[in-house]
Amino acid sequence: DAKTTQPPSMDCAEGRAANLPCNHSTISGNEYVYWYRQIHSQGPQYIIHGLKNNETNEMASLIITEDRKSSTLILPHATLRDTAVYYCIVRSQGGSEKLVFGKGTKLTVNP
Amino acid sequence: GAGVSQSPRYKVAKRGQDVALRCDPISGHVSLFWYQQALGQGPEFLTYFQNEAQLDKSGLPSDRFFAERPEGSVSTLKIQRTQQEDSAVYLCASSLGFWDNEQFFGPGTRLTVL
Repeated sequence: DAKTTQPPSMDCAEGRAANLPCNHSTISGNEYVYWYRQIHSQGPQYIIHGLKNNETNEMASLIITEDRKSSTLILPHATLRDTAVYYCIVRSQGGSEKLVFGKGTKLTVNP
Repeated sequence: GAGVSQSPRYKVAKRGQDVALRCDPISGHVSLFWYQQALGQGPEFLTYFQNEAQLDKSGLPSDRFFAERPEGSVSTLKIQRTQQEDSAVYLCASSLGFWDNEQFFGPGTRLTVL
């Protein structure tokens, strides 16, 4: 699976959009981009995933660049409860079910 | 409950003791995973079951670590002769069993080895 690079930390004001970047320059054609987050003292939680089209669900939007070498997770109206570590993970279609986590981005939402 | 549960939530062991950590997955979930999370790090894969079959144990750090899921439901992760470096949060996750299915995580067991 391709390696991902994320900034170690980011801050966001409550009510504003949080844009979390992820670089995956070695991604291959059958690899999906997944996002999970982990709130303090809890297990990770699935957010969203995509292949090449932008995706949106009730939690977030995922924007993948046309060359698929990077992506951005967008929380449109961040709340204090969105403070967490966000993990960007690349997974091969039909590959191993296991998740390979990096260090993620610690997002702090400030009042 | 509807989610993945783990017990105990906290475990303190003296170096050299054996410990057993339990995971109750979501009912009907075929796949079950164990991850180890050291302080300040992302979770690291340990092992994976599909029903009762252990299909991947490549992440187990040593032969002191053993996992089982005898009836394809509850799973136990056993660590023998615990060492200080085993101190971590042990996370269990379950999924419906296809590669792209969402993994649902439990709250973890925090193991401290003194």
